[in-house]
Formats: sequence, structure tokens, C-alpha cells
Amino acid sequence: AQSVTQPDIHITVSEGASLELRCNYSYGATPYLFWYVQSPGQGLQLLLKYFSGDTLVQGIKGFEAEFKRSQSSFNLRKPSVHWSDAAEYFCAVSLLRTDKLIFGTGTRLQVFP
Amino acid sequence: KAGVTQTPRYLIKTRGQQVTLSCSPISGHRSVSWYQQTPGQGLQFLFEYFSETQRNKGNFPGRFSGRQFSNSRSEMNVSTLELGDSALYLCASSPGVGGASTDTQYFGPGTRLTVL
Repeated sequence: AQSVTQPDIHITVSEGASLELRCNYSYGATPYLFWYVQSPGQGLQLLLKYFSGDTLVQGIKGFEAEFKRSQSSFNLRKPSVHWSDAAEYFCAVSLLRTDKLIFGTGTRLQVFP
Repeated sequence: KAGVTQTPRYLIKTRGQQVTLSCSPISGHRSVSWYQQTPGQGLQFLFEYFSETQRNKGNFPGRFSGRQFSNSRSEMNVSTLELGDSALYLCASSPGVGGASTDTQYFGPGTRLTVL
């Protein structure tokens, strides 16, 4: 069965520091991978997605993610975190040609000034 | 372009009651998906509707049902509410043509349901 694991429940970084959020997936076929962000009281916003091609994907708000098939990972990175990046981040995988998303448990990011 | 709208935003019900939540997708989108978000179980897929037909279903009991109207608006219904149904219910819309691999899903702000 398809699954997504986000090992870090809570991460705290200082503003201006670099960030990496981990995501591992389990999926038999070519995965379609996503990162979403959820701010308090808000719905989910898509940061970036990967289907095929270049394994380094650029997203909005300065985020990028790298797909590594050998490690079954799709880690999210940002070189310099801003206080407004404090939110919960979800990694997800979709089944081919469906809108069904399987989400990880999320990583809560706290940013200190 | 207006985003995904969900009504009501907050709802309080008691055990045994039923509830109906509404979702209006982005204009032109034909697919609406519903998700339940709880602290314990995280984000779980409930079902997806496309052109008034349920196209995909998650692992929820039959108390959870939904429907979609010809204008793509969708409702979900939960009958005989239980305490564990307290959650944030999110709806997402997409064009619905190619699946999540090609169609970006846009999420609404959610309906916060509290069951007492």
C-alpha cells in the first residue's frame, strides 16, 4: 500500500537559517509527489510537485525539493527561512490519474527571530 | 478568480445528530475531493466527485456520504455523529481531467466540526 512518512514532527530554526524537511514514500510505481503548506486556520497550499524529468523541482516561496528514487525520498529545502514560513508542511503522493492524495503526518515548522 | 469556498466555517453538533457541509469549487473545476483532518489520524481522503459521480472513495464508514450537483458544487453528509468525527473537513477542487499528476488541487479553508 502507498504511504508517506515524515520523520520530523516538529522542527525549529532561526530566521535566515537553511531548512530541510524530510519525506519518504512507499509506492510501487512511479510516484507523483507533492509538498503542501498549511498556515494556522487556513487550507492547504501547493508548494511544488514532481511527476517526472528533472529530479530537482522548484516551487513557490523559494522552496525546492529533490526526488531521489534510490532513497525513496522527496525532501523539501529552502536556503534561508523567513518568519512567515512558520506553518505545517505536508508531503503527499497521488495515485496515477486520480485526485486522491495520500498525506504524511506533517512537520510543524517554528521560526525564531 | 474566486477560490474554493466552504460553508459553514464552524459547526457544533451533538452526538447522534447529522450534519451537511458544503463546498463550492473554483469556476470551471469539475472535480471535488473531501478530506478529514484530525490530530490523531492526520489528513485522510474521504471521497472524490467528478461530473456528479463518485470517482474515488476512502476507507470511511457508510455514515459519511457525499454528492455533487450539476454546477459542480458538492456536499458531504455525516449521519449519527460520533465524538471522533470532530475534525477539520477540507474540500479541494481541480479541473479533474488528468488526476493530481497534471491537475493542481486547490483547497478551501475547511469546516471545523465539533461534536459534543
